[in-house]
Amino acid sequence: ETGVTQTPRHLVMGMTNKKSLKCEQHLGHNAMYWYKQSAKKPLELMFVYNFKEQTENNSVPSRFSPECPNSSHLFLHLHTLQPEDSALYLCASSQDPGQGTDTQYFGPGTRLTVL
Amino acid sequence: GQNIDQPTEMTATEGAIVQINCTYQTSGFNGLFWYQQHAGEAPTFLSYNVLDGLEEKGRFSSFLSRSKGYSYLLLKELQMKDSASYLCAVRDSNYQLIWGAGTKLIIKP
Repeated sequence: ETGVTQTPRHLVMGMTNKKSLKCEQHLGHNAMYWYKQSAKKPLELMFVYNFKEQTENNSVPSRFSPECPNSSHLFLHLHTLQPEDSALYLCASSQDPGQGTDTQYFGPGTRLTVL
Repeated sequence: GQNIDQPTEMTATEGAIVQINCTYQTSGFNGLFWYQQHAGEAPTFLSYNVLDGLEEKGRFSSFLSRSKGYSYLLLKELQMKDSASYLCAVRDSNYQLIWGAGTKLIIKP
């Protein structure tokens, strides 16, 4: 319904694994975002891409590596994660981050568990 | 620092009215958003306020007072499906969204 899809919906991985999260938006938006959502904490913005260019990297550890091949697709590559990285990872898209009225539309998230 | 405060959890009765408050301290202001998030699902957009006053949208209304750094979301005629978390977010002077931790609303029959 929101036009933003994410796969997989659930992921369990060991600390030595490498995995990737995928996000796709069907809304024709120009910007895409990765957020981390932990219980009882505010959404943490991780990365922002606007017209495929990374515009934000909020001091995210290098074990998280984003990739944005085009305005419709966004990936988050994961490697050597820590148990504290377990969280819900949300993808969002919006039309124009430079406008006050710009509304972000979210995907359903990937529930990540790091063992 | 920038900060958004909202109650962690609220309980209300089906058919009643509930008001969820949000106070904010941010570097500048370019609008305030409310989102609804059911457990295990995507946050969905509810409302946007940039001017003072009340915006009504069906059973939901959102109020803003910029001078007080305060907003509330008013839900009327509560239904069981309104059980969800409600997220408040403010767009600051750099057009960044600053998020609150969310208010979990529990509706009882």
